[in-house]
Amino acid sequence: NAGVTQTPKFQVLKTGQSMTLQCAQDMNHEYMSWYRQDPGMGLRLIHYSVGAGITDQGEVPNGYNVSRSTTEDFPLRLLSAAPSQTSVYFCVSGGGGNTIYFGEGSWLTVV
Amino acid sequence: DQQVKQNSPSLSVQEGRISILNCDYTNSMFDYFLWYKKYPAEGPTFLISISSIKDKNEDGRFTVFLNKSAKHLSLHIVPSQPGDSAVYFCAARDSGGSNYKLTFGKGTLLTVNP
Repeated sequence: NAGVTQTPKFQVLKTGQSMTLQCAQDMNHEYMSWYRQDPGMGLRLIHYSVGAGITDQGEVPNGYNVSRSTTEDFPLRLLSAAPSQTSVYFCVSGGGGNTIYFGEGSWLTVV
Repeated sequence: DQQVKQNSPSLSVQEGRISILNCDYTNSMFDYFLWYKKYPAEGPTFLISISSIKDKNEDGRFTVFLNKSAKHLSLHIVPSQPGDSAVYFCAARDSGGSNYKLTFGKGTLLTVNP
């Protein structure tokens, strides 16, 4: 998990609130993405980016926004949190090889 | 439509024995396969991978086998150790997509009993 930093680690939100999960990597990787992990569902791709200024949707993008203004940062925004967004979120970066590197995760509860 | 399937949610083995974790896929465009290991409260970490041009890749106690005709791969851990207890995710890369855009299975929880 070295090189990919996520904050916050834990967060409780009320329904309708907004928040941003921060992700930063110091490996100069072009690729970054966000996955969510839910019981019985595995890891599902939310959004991804292949470079600064370029983003695209993954498998479950609804309710989330992203932007990639720099190579290092890829924040994930929840505009109006819903209980269905209670999950563990992982930021990922990849580049220079054939694999991707995960952050340590952010545990989000929406009540 | 689940493109990467890990049909066994859990597996329990004795220390010293072989652990075999299975993974099936449906997308013929997948050309690279990876296994990730995840401990509780941590992010997944890369374990081993295999290209579709190979049928076996070995790294220490870990070996991945790929059967393209059956669209099946398996991870063998020999000998299994208690520290191997974790969730194992199978992942696949689409040859037509980004190098790093992976599709994951739901995971298999491996428990190695001392």
